[in-house]
Amino acid sequence: TQLLEQSPQFLSIQEGENLTVYCNSSSVFSSLQWYRQEPGEGPVLLVTVVTGGEVKKLKRLTFQFGDARKDSSLHITAAQPGDTGLYLCAGRGDTGGFKTIFGAGTRLFVKA
Amino acid sequence: SAVISQKPSRDICQRGTSLTIQCQVDSQVTMMFWYRQQPGQSLTLIATANQGSEATYESGFVIDKFPISRPNLTFSTLTVSNMSPEDSSIYLCSVTGVDSYEQYFGPGTRLTVT
Repeated sequence: TQLLEQSPQFLSIQEGENLTVYCNSSSVFSSLQWYRQEPGEGPVLLVTVVTGGEVKKLKRLTFQFGDARKDSSLHITAAQPGDTGLYLCAGRGDTGGFKTIFGAGTRLFVKA
Repeated sequence: SAVISQKPSRDICQRGTSLTIQCQVDSQVTMMFWYRQQPGQSLTLIATANQGSEATYESGFVIDKFPISRPNLTFSTLTVSNMSPEDSSIYLCSVTGVDSYEQYFGPGTRLTVT
């Protein structure tokens, strides 16, 4: 069974601080996605990474896919209160199926 | 990306009743999924909605409790039957294209069972 483990589960920081969220597995994924979910809404796709070692940037957010395609990280620079939310990593297995596996999520709270 | 709408956005229902949730997509998609998200938790896949045939259910979910329809490529319904307070959750519709790694979600339906 493929699993995605996210850490930390909860993070409370001050505005302006940097943070990194990790998503790890013992399995290989063909692609990995990061989502942000705000209260009362569905998850919103932030980025998809598909190539081992790939790095993508979205303003203050930097996403990296591990060389072996088993792990990923999300780094936020100078966090702002608007970054508050639940961050979910999700991946598709390397066997060609369509099912997406979700991590347990990291709940981020950025204090002004 | 696809724009997904769900109805109702929220409902409060009595134990023993049933609620049908609708999911409408603005374009034809290959895969449609239904997820449940219990308070403070991540997403759990209920089933894959297949057009014109029975849905494919995940372990722990059965058709009698969560009947699903998908009459065409842009619409699906999920019914939560004979509800109990344990069914209180957010129910999310999601879609993806067959060639796309990316999955998009509707805004969710927040269900409270009293």
